[in-house]
Amino acid sequence: AQSVAQPEDQVNVAEGNPLTVKCTYSVSGNPYLFWYVQYPNRGLQFLLKYITGDNLVKGSYGFEAEFNKSQTSFHLKKPSALVSDSALYFCAVSGYGNNRLAFGKGNQVVVIP
Amino acid sequence: DTAVSQTPKYLVTQMGNDKSIKCEQNLGHDTMYWYKQDSKKFLKIMFSYNNKELIINETVPNRFSPKSPDKAHLNLHINSLELGDSAVYFCASSQVPLAGGRLDTQYFGPGTRLTVL
Repeated sequence: AQSVAQPEDQVNVAEGNPLTVKCTYSVSGNPYLFWYVQYPNRGLQFLLKYITGDNLVKGSYGFEAEFNKSQTSFHLKKPSALVSDSALYFCAVSGYGNNRLAFGKGNQVVVIP
Repeated sequence: DTAVSQTPKYLVTQMGNDKSIKCEQNLGHDTMYWYKQDSKKFLKIMFSYNNKELIINETVPNRFSPKSPDKAHLNLHINSLELGDSAVYFCASSQVPLAGGRLDTQYFGPGTRLTVL
């Protein structure tokens, strides 16, 4: 079985401060990991993914994520948050032999001006 | 040049009616999916098709029937709509699975907000 945990329901951060959204996973074998963002009344937009190689992955809109195999984590980060980053963020994992993504419950990010 | 499109965007209907949602992708992908997002924003996979063949059929009431006329289209027909069917339904597509059967990036449509009265 594969699963994703996003422990926080909501992350509040002041504009200009660093933003971190946490994700841990459970999967057989080496994981493929993804982050998506959903703005209000929109579909999920792909931000970045880790498949192999460098543990630090850079994605769209200045976001990056670090794969940590020993901690089974894939936290999403942005050095300086913008008000426009306020949205719902989903972490997802694909494990060996699975034919589906496992999504976390989502984290609402609120960037305060 | 929308990658994954769905119609309609909003659907308001009475209990007991039958309705369809259409999805099209122009990314050349072989695999398409239907997801349901409930009021708490949880995403639940419903179906997936790979090159017109049903791959995933989750524990979804048989009032829901997907149809894939070709690999670029995946439609969802819902019979006898119930109040609990109210949700946002997302279509997505991806390339065939990568090494070890793991999935590559899925690209989502804008969603169809279904409201059953």
